[in-house]
Amino acid sequence: DTAVSQTPKYLVTQMGNDKSIKCEQNLGHDTMYWYKQDSKKFLKIMFSYNNKELIINETVPNRFSPKSPDKAHLNLHINSLELGDSAVYFCASSQDRTRGAFFGQGTRLTVV
Amino acid sequence: EDQVTQSPEALRLQEGESSSLNCSYTVSGLRGLFWYRQDPGKGPEFLFTLYSAGEEKEKERLKATLTKKESFLHITAPKPEDSATYLCAVQASSNDYKLSFGAGTTVTVRA
Repeated sequence: DTAVSQTPKYLVTQMGNDKSIKCEQNLGHDTMYWYKQDSKKFLKIMFSYNNKELIINETVPNRFSPKSPDKAHLNLHINSLELGDSAVYFCASSQDRTRGAFFGQGTRLTVV
Repeated sequence: EDQVTQSPEALRLQEGESSSLNCSYTVSGLRGLFWYRQDPGKGPEFLFTLYSAGEEKEKERLKATLTKKESFLHITAPKPEDSATYLCAVQASSNDYKLSFGAGTTVTVRA
């Protein structure tokens, strides 16, 4: 069974559209994250949630809205997509934050 | 702001040719330094956490070490399956809800 799963794996959409990426973890972890990896492979934190509560919003445009319906799910909704939003988005989770996070396989978003 | 710099950007090795990757960091109060491995098209895979200067961790052909300013990932007698991008990240004591990553070192091991 996949520990952290994201859907879809690939997403191609036009500028101005609204899209969502779903994330689920079956590890029983309390903390979940969204990271963005740009074309230069640089991973940057976007959001952290702990027990469904937003802990970190790392200066992300408010077109990005995370939603955590329960501890096992953290979805990412993006409004009015722009070309610069094209990247790979990773969901991750951790139980003990000092012991590393488990990452999903990523969602490659391409805005055309 | 926390900063992580990895070098070299890319490393090409012959099978069996040992080498080291460097991760230098600036953080106000280090909670932990993390090493991840990332294969193309996949998410990062956790390798090690180091917490204090002088600490070392090993896993198969990989050994990570930590000083007050940098960390090294030593690859001993690498095999082609060790080919991947290796990412370093730091976690600050003041905010352990995020990892600040370096840009990674892409290692290619030729048979």
